[in-house]
Amino acid sequence: DGGITQSPKYLFRKEGQNVTLSCEQNLNHDAMYWYRQDPGQGLRLIYYSQIVNDFQKGDIAEGYSVSREKKESFPLTVTSAQKNPTAFYLCASSLTRDVQFFGPGTRLTVL
Amino acid sequence: GEDVEQSLFLSVREGDSSVINCTYTDSSSTYLYWYKQEPGAGLQLLTYIFSNMDMKQDQRLTVLLNKKDKHLSLRIADTQTGDSAIYFCAEKPPGANNLFFGTGTRLTVIP
Repeated sequence: DGGITQSPKYLFRKEGQNVTLSCEQNLNHDAMYWYRQDPGQGLRLIYYSQIVNDFQKGDIAEGYSVSREKKESFPLTVTSAQKNPTAFYLCASSLTRDVQFFGPGTRLTVL
Repeated sequence: GEDVEQSLFLSVREGDSSVINCTYTDSSSTYLYWYKQEPGAGLQLLTYIFSNMDMKQDQRLTVLLNKKDKHLSLRIADTQTGDSAIYFCAEKPPGANNLFFGTGTRLTVIP
């Protein structure tokens, strides 16, 4: 069953904690992306990776970090430096970089 | 960044046609997309159109592209209650690695 999985579905973080969101794909896609969605807004790009061991900052990378050690995995860490992390986080992947497919999302709430 | 605009809300009666409109900013965008998001879920790619096309039809969905006016529309024929969701328009300018999204149009289908 091919697709993109994200875990956990819901995540709660205390102030000052780092948390890591998981994104895995078995579509053999080269490129992977992290977007943030806030209520009533479109998606904004946090980081993207076109190949293993390489990634680039998006429009709102401050307070976030990523790694791409394996083709199928692109975890996102929300650090304590991110001042307003409560949001819905969406991971996507693409084969050709022209068409992106999205995972089910992780909702992060800061307590 | 790009500024993709959509109206926020649309209500239609079940069985009627829905038309969701979008204006985008980069006339050289190579691909334009429509995604659907149901509550608490990720984005589902509905359809996309290459910039050298004027129209694309896929079952109940018809996409119209007016490059001169930078206007994209999605028509859903025989709208059903299961079509109730938020619909996002997105563009991909040439050379860009990510998509630029509108704020989404919330479609409500009245039984």
